Amino acid sequence: NAGVMQNPRHLVRRRGQEARLRCSPMKGHSHVYWYRQLPEEGLKFMVYLQKENIIDESGMPKERFSAEFPKEGPSILRIQQVVRGDSAAYFCASSPSNRPNEKLFFGSGTQLSVL
Amino acid sequence: KNEVEQSPQNLTAQEGEFITINCSYSVGISALHWLQQHPGGGIVSLFMLSSGKKKHGRLIATINIQEKHSSLHITASHPRDSAVYICALNTGTASKLTFGTGTRLQVTL
Repeated sequence: NAGVMQNPRHLVRRRGQEARLRCSPMKGHSHVYWYRQLPEEGLKFMVYLQKENIIDESGMPKERFSAEFPKEGPSILRIQQVVRGDSAAYFCASSPSNRPNEKLFFGSGTQLSVL
Repeated sequence: KNEVEQSPQNLTAQEGEFITINCSYSVGISALHWLQQHPGGGIVSLFMLSSGKKKHGRLIATINIQEKHSSLHITASHPRDSAVYICALNTGTASKLTFGTGTRLQVTL
């Protein structure tokens, strides 16, 4: 049973380009969370999705960021017109349910560097 | 004031030492997670606690709900324990976690 898979591991973009980060949850998990870790800062919640639904996007910047988790395929975090301040490690995690005491399984992260 | 505070921020220990990392918080929680982030960046969930104490190998995690405090202990520490240890709060909404800034542990020979 493969763990949470994120790709790419490293992504380099120039300012103004688009970044697409992918997350395939563990088999049987239908709940996906995205977190961002800015340099020298702690992890911050961005968005919580279930299949085909955004449940909580209160941590997402208001502009340029979007997320989806389609019926088929991985969850995608999309950043349009990237700026240097978007450089960070982006982690996703998955769980089989939305119970508060559910253990989370994390991916290895995508390190985004904006030149 | 941050909702979750960890101490110490940095910790250096010699192999074999007993290590304690503390986490204090100021909000009501449904669960508290201890995570380990390796130098390569990957994150592993160590424990999820809502009360009492849990043990896994050389790791022990405790929580005192009344005092809003949790500790992570490592017995017989080893250089491979070197990592950042992060305390994260679940305040009730699924796993929308609030994270501490982490404790960077370095265990030397």
